[in-house]
Amino acid sequence: QSVLTQPPSVSGAPGQRVTFSCTGSSSNIGAGYVVHWYQQLPGTPPKLLLFGNNNRPSGVPDRFSGSKSGTSASLAITGLQAEDEADYYCQSYDTTLSGFVFGTGTKVTVL
Amino acid sequence: EVHLVESGGGLVQPGMSLRLSCAASGFTFDDYAMFWVRQVPGKGLEWVSSITWHSHNIDYADSVKGRFTVSRDNAKKSLYLQMNSLKTEDTAFYYCVKGGLIRGYFEAWFESWGQGTLVTVSS
Repeated sequence: QSVLTQPPSVSGAPGQRVTFSCTGSSSNIGAGYVVHWYQQLPGTPPKLLLFGNNNRPSGVPDRFSGSKSGTSASLAITGLQAEDEADYYCQSYDTTLSGFVFGTGTKVTVL
Repeated sequence: EVHLVESGGGLVQPGMSLRLSCAASGFTFDDYAMFWVRQVPGKGLEWVSSITWHSHNIDYADSVKGRFTVSRDNAKKSLYLQMNSLKTEDTAFYYCVKGGLIRGYFEAWFESWGQGTLVTVSS
């Protein structure tokens, strides 16, 4: 079972801004471990979206941004586009589990 | 360009074994940690196992500990996952993943993903 909790779904109209959270605990995000985010389009493998809390790999639009505070992190998408409709996962490291953990995933729907 | 190609998936009966392989190219293989991540079709992502560039750190998810063994051959630029005592709940797509931090581990991100290989455990 996932130790990082995300809302199951969020939606927004094209051009809008959507944000959603990734809630962890003192053994992962709260312990200071960085958070990374992945985007998974239907039928494809996940793709790295943000690393180190808020760093974009080459090719990722600056519409995507991340933040981290305490035991939680957030992903924001500004200027929502139809191509952003996908599943999004956060990920970190957990000292209690001595392993890597993913969030439960959030499905973004563009209305 | 990074390429990760998994192989070895298929249909097996519960209790049987399977060995997954991942052939890597396009990067200095022995500079990066490597990971196995699985995903039940239609469900979320689950980290399975990881191994540092020098194989000194190896970790497993509790769900596979004692049954799965990860290894790597830096000379062959290959990653492996030996899966024993397979259970129906091991059915999933298995992805080979390259870490994103040179000689990093705990802070590493999952930078590049293979297309995945499907493992189906069923009688």
